[in-house]
Amino acid sequence: AQKVTQAQTEISVVEKEDVTLDCVYETRDTTYYLFWYKQPPSGELVFLIRRNSFDEQNEISGRYSWNFQKSTSSFNFTITASQVVDSAVYFCALSGDTGTASKLTFGTGTRLQVTL
Amino acid sequence: NAGVTQTPKFRILKIGQSMTLQCTQDMNHNYMYWYRQDPGMGLKLIYYSVGAGITDKGEVPNGYNVSRSTTEDFPLRLELAAPSQTSVYFCASSNDRGALNEQFFGPGTRLTVL
Repeated sequence: AQKVTQAQTEISVVEKEDVTLDCVYETRDTTYYLFWYKQPPSGELVFLIRRNSFDEQNEISGRYSWNFQKSTSSFNFTITASQVVDSAVYFCALSGDTGTASKLTFGTGTRLQVTL
Repeated sequence: NAGVTQTPKFRILKIGQSMTLQCTQDMNHNYMYWYRQDPGMGLKLIYYSVGAGITDKGEVPNGYNVSRSTTEDFPLRLELAAPSQTSVYFCASSNDRGALNEQFFGPGTRLTVL
């Protein structure tokens, strides 16, 4: 069975601070994919990144960066110089290539509040 | 491209009533999904479909039914609404690699059962 744990329920930071959102996963699949989605206050889910299990290179996209470490089963997300517009709930998710129709397992999300 | 559209945006039901949540996508995706999101929780998969005429249960299917007669549409039916079905419902779609690829989400339907 797959499991995603986001232990941080809520994080509050002041604008321009850096913040890291943690994600720990469990899977028995050899091939799997990790995702981050953002859910702003408006409610829709926005795709941020996908990473497959064979690619452990860190990724940077503007102020966003992701650190994937198979040794610790973690896929952490860092926002550098946070802004008020980053306030949202962030979900980490996992899917595995099990041979049957793959399904996405979500963590419970981390609510990030960025204040001035 | 409208992407994934859902109707209605909001609905209040009385216990025992039934309704259908509509979902349409215009990206020619074979895979479609229905999730529910309870307060403070992640999304849980209700049903999914890998193509027209093919549906299967997800993690929390009880109290729901689906059909997939076309590639574009994937309606979710609640037959006898119960307070436990109060939630936000999201429809999503993805290409032929299913959940291995990005899923595109609709804006959600907020359902309250009183």
